[in-house]
Amino acid sequence: EAQVTQNPRYLITVTGKKLTVTCSQNMNHEYMSWYRQDPGLGLRQIYYSMNVEVTDKGDVPEGYKVSRKEKRNFPLILESPSPNQTSLYFCASSLQGTSRYEQYFGPGTRLTVT
Amino acid sequence: GENVEQHPSTLSVQEGDSAVIKCTYSDSASNYFPWYKQELGKGPQLIIDIRSNVGEKKDQRIAVTLNKTAKHFSLHITETQPEDSAVYFCAASIGNQFYFGTGTSLTVIP
Repeated sequence: EAQVTQNPRYLITVTGKKLTVTCSQNMNHEYMSWYRQDPGLGLRQIYYSMNVEVTDKGDVPEGYKVSRKEKRNFPLILESPSPNQTSLYFCASSLQGTSRYEQYFGPGTRLTVT
Repeated sequence: GENVEQHPSTLSVQEGDSAVIKCTYSDSASNYFPWYKQELGKGPQLIIDIRSNVGEKKDQRIAVTLNKTAKHFSLHITETQPEDSAVYFCAASIGNQFYFGTGTSLTVIP
């Protein structure tokens, strides 16, 4: 089944403790992206990647890192999480750049930073 | 960067009636406008999209219109059904970046 998977689905952590949220797609998509969803703010793009080893900042990249060493994986790294990063995170992928192909979203990761 | 505004934030309609959700954008360079449906506990799913060289697109009960001059686009759902109840997001894309509206919670009352 074609899908985007994220792990973990739920995570509670403490301020300053490094964490990684994994994202994997099995559709051989070139484009991958991370978003955060907050009440009243919609979805905001954190980082995106056009292909392996090519990443770019989105609208809200502060406090996050990403890497794209393999085509299928696009982990989101929070090196020193803070409470304002408590949010619902979505990974998405599409065949190529967003204006031409449908973006497929993962199920989401709910992160709480205390 | 781009700013996308979406209205209304909540919308209740009777089953069988139509629902309209409106979005405006600020950057005339935006050239792709998708609409997503998000059901509880799930990720957003594309339901329809429109590119800047098209004024209207329809897919069964769903239609989207785009007015580039006024920088606004709208989602129209006709003959609404209870399964249409969800949160709907509009978005605008410039290059490879997406900018989303704040969402509309649609409730279809049986």
